Amino acid sequence: GESVGLHLPTLSVQEGDNSIINCAYSNSASDYFIWYKQESGKGPQFIIDIRSNMDKRQGQRVTVLLNKTVKHLSLQIAATQPGDSAVYFCAENWDRGSTLGRLYFGRGTQLTVWP
Amino acid sequence: DTGVSQDPRHKITKRGQNVTFRCDPISEHNRLYWYRQTLGQGPEFLTYFQNEAQLEKSRLLSDRFSAERPKGSFSTLEIQRTEQGDSAMYLCASTLGGPLHFGNGTRLTVT
Repeated sequence: GESVGLHLPTLSVQEGDNSIINCAYSNSASDYFIWYKQESGKGPQFIIDIRSNMDKRQGQRVTVLLNKTVKHLSLQIAATQPGDSAVYFCAENWDRGSTLGRLYFGRGTQLTVWP
Repeated sequence: DTGVSQDPRHKITKRGQNVTFRCDPISEHNRLYWYRQTLGQGPEFLTYFQNEAQLEKSRLLSDRFSAERPKGSFSTLEIQRTEQGDSAMYLCASTLGGPLHFGNGTRLTVT
């Protein structure tokens, strides 16, 4: 399944399928990007990050792709599990040269995994 | 690593009352952030501290809001004369470098 985070805030996938969550970021000067997962009643949980000098970064079952030309970020989740059900946010760092600056969050995409 | 701790988890108050929230960051994290999150939206930056110094405040942080981090460890966020528009989740995050680690927030409801 695929979703454009800002225009389709929900994504439903079957357990075991791959998920793709998209995000359009706003600041061409941003040099650091993060994906967070937020479950109901909890704070955002870090998933994976990427710097602007990279196009792709892989973690455990997750891959982030960065396309600076069109200011687009995507999160791919392999073999989606029910525990992956949550809201996923992309965030960009506006303070160049640092990962410690303010983060600007996108609207978020609700991922629902059904058996 | 016990994570970022926030207290209380929930607060219900009447309009016009003052409220104070506390955040205990991950031990040794020198930077501490406050964010606000309303329903259906991503978190919005409010302010951050490096050690005890408050380095930046968002324009979202009106003069009714004040944050402190007196000893460079825990932080408090106070809202005076609360308004219904202040109802939100208030999130605290900390870092020593790299990604922010968030707490589970304080849910404020102003009636």
